[in-house]
Amino acid sequence: EAGVAQSPRYKIIEKRQSVAFWCNPISGHATLYWYQQILGQGPKLLIQFQNNGVVDDSQLPKDRFSAERLKGVDSTLKIQPAKLEDSAVYLCASSLQGFKNIQYFGAGTRLSVL
Amino acid sequence: GQQLNQSPQSMFIQEGEDVSMNCTSSSIFNTWLWYKQEPGEGPVLLIALYKAGELTSNGRLTAQFGITRKDSFLNISASIPSDVGIYFCAGSDSGTYKYIFGTGTRLKVLA
Repeated sequence: EAGVAQSPRYKIIEKRQSVAFWCNPISGHATLYWYQQILGQGPKLLIQFQNNGVVDDSQLPKDRFSAERLKGVDSTLKIQPAKLEDSAVYLCASSLQGFKNIQYFGAGTRLSVL
Repeated sequence: GQQLNQSPQSMFIQEGEDVSMNCTSSSIFNTWLWYKQEPGEGPVLLIALYKAGELTSNGRLTAQFGITRKDSFLNISASIPSDVGIYFCAGSDSGTYKYIFGTGTRLKVLA
């Protein structure tokens, strides 16, 4: 079974530029999550989708971050404009809906904002 | 955002030693997950716990769901060099399928 795919693996941009990350979840997984992991910390949830609807985006900085999950499969997370403090690893995870919900993570995209 | 407290923050141990770490929360959870993350990779699931008091093993790893439902524990027996990494706990109240992650325990094993 293929795992969660993310691209790109690395991205370096200058502040105020825009950047987008892509995630393809495990086939059949209805729930998709985007996390931000700052160096030395645990993952912090940015947004959670159930199929193509948003379940929780309470910690998404909506003035600069946006995410979509068209057709309930793959997803894109965008930052516009980027700030220095956005430097982090952006992790995508997916899970089957229902009891014993287990999240499976992709390898992440490491973003450096200069 | 909220993060769970993990202890210890880091550990340096000799190969062959046993390791214990724990995770505490101010909230009650219905599910606890333990992950391991290696440099440049995403977290990989080690053990999932669904019931207070539950004790589950995965090879040399054993995890327990605390009776109070506010904590969880992970033990690694007879550590080996490939155990090196950061171990994260994650808790969920299952109603929203939303997980809160711990601050991580960094493990280094000296051969």
